[in-house]
Amino acid sequence: EPEVTQTPSHQVTQMGQEVILRCVPISNHLYFYWYRQILGQKVEFLVSFYNNEISEKSEIFDDQFSVERPDGSNFTLKIRSTKLEDSAMYFCASSESISGRARDEQFFGPGTRLTVL
Amino acid sequence: EDQVTQSPEALRLQEGESSSLNCSYTVSGLRGLFWYRQDPGKGPEFLFTLYSAGEEKEKERLKATLTKKESFLHITAPKPEDSATYLCAVQEADSWGKLQFGAGTQVVVTP
Repeated sequence: EPEVTQTPSHQVTQMGQEVILRCVPISNHLYFYWYRQILGQKVEFLVSFYNNEISEKSEIFDDQFSVERPDGSNFTLKIRSTKLEDSAMYFCASSESISGRARDEQFFGPGTRLTVL
Repeated sequence: EDQVTQSPEALRLQEGESSSLNCSYTVSGLRGLFWYRQDPGKGPEFLFTLYSAGEEKEKERLKATLTKKESFLHITAPKPEDSATYLCAVQEADSWGKLQFGAGTQVVVTP
């Protein structure tokens, strides 16, 4: 069964460093997303990506964040200068459509736990 | 203001003891309401999508229903393996897929 994969599973970094989180969405999906979940809190939307551009982003997704689909399979989230408050689990998700009728379900990856020291 | 509120926050059930989880939402136009299951340290696992009031979906011991203001997830005769956090999320009609999640209901089923 197709699944979303993410690497690494755990990333430890120093404050101010750049990190890149990687995801391989399900192959026939067209819509890609990043969410984050701070420990003990709810899952929060960061950004959606379609047709090689950002289609929607939250207030959290400021200039320190960027996303890219560098090839036909990978989808990355870059944090340019990490802060302590960026420590969280980051989830990538993908969906086939956003039709409001069918195949809208977003499938999530296992997550990357980011720890900023 | 939270647009998705789940209750209760936590629920402890005996094996076989049926119960319901509530998800109330306030969005101007709903494209879909999604239920997910999340195990500790894992990503959300898709369960159901509901699109319109009156719709119901079932999967094994779980049944989801939708009204214009809320959704219920009914767990019938739960087993210990149903222990998880159940998340509700809404997608607004004018969004590009953004899911707005509730805080979840943590369910523990004891033998």
